[in-house]
Amino acid sequence: QQQVKQSPQSLIVQKGGISIINCAYENTAFDYFPWYQQFPGKGPALLIAIRPDVSEKKEGRFTISFNKSAKQFSLHIMDSQPGDSATYFCAASRRYNTDKLIFGTGTRLQVFP
Amino acid sequence: KAGVTQTPRYLIKTRGQQVTLSCSPISGHRSVSWYQQTPGQGLQFLFEYFSETQRNKGNFPGRFSGRQFSNSRSEMNVSTLELGDSALYLCASGGTGYEQYFGPGTRLTVT
Repeated sequence: QQQVKQSPQSLIVQKGGISIINCAYENTAFDYFPWYQQFPGKGPALLIAIRPDVSEKKEGRFTISFNKSAKQFSLHIMDSQPGDSATYFCAASRRYNTDKLIFGTGTRLQVFP
Repeated sequence: KAGVTQTPRYLIKTRGQQVTLSCSPISGHRSVSWYQQTPGQGLQFLFEYFSETQRNKGNFPGRFSGRQFSNSRSEMNVSTLELGDSALYLCASGGTGYEQYFGPGTRLTVT
């Protein structure tokens, strides 16, 4: 019940295309869903996050879509750029008295010019 | 504001030795969490400290321990190192909001 399942494992997109990464969770107590971007040799960087009281959040080219009934959320990267090539992790947490994050397994995104 | 800092950045140790890693959170943040990242197991939660108290603990053996000081800086210690402990160790800093910010990590290699 603590797992967060992420797909696909890897993704190849052409420059200008849309990248879509999906995550699913079981624990309905989760109330915070962040996405992290990680470049080789670096720590994960917080990209965008959502709480279950909204169905979508957009920040620049990055959008989270959240489906509470299906217990799924996804990251959409519009107009993908070569500089977006990185590993993306979804995560979930139940923020009552803890900051513990449960991470998905990661998606390696490659954007080709 | 300065970000999360971790020292050292790289470390090579021999099996059986022990190691201490350090993390300084973002100024004003009182929560520090530690994660282990490996290619096989991904990002796994080790433990979390808040105001010098361990608030949560992951499923790791007792060889892994940590502490937090009054200035919110945190250390984690791994005793009797095993080859499987080779990993990137990350700490995350949390304030009053929901956001968690990660440091660059310490790359530990056990030979």
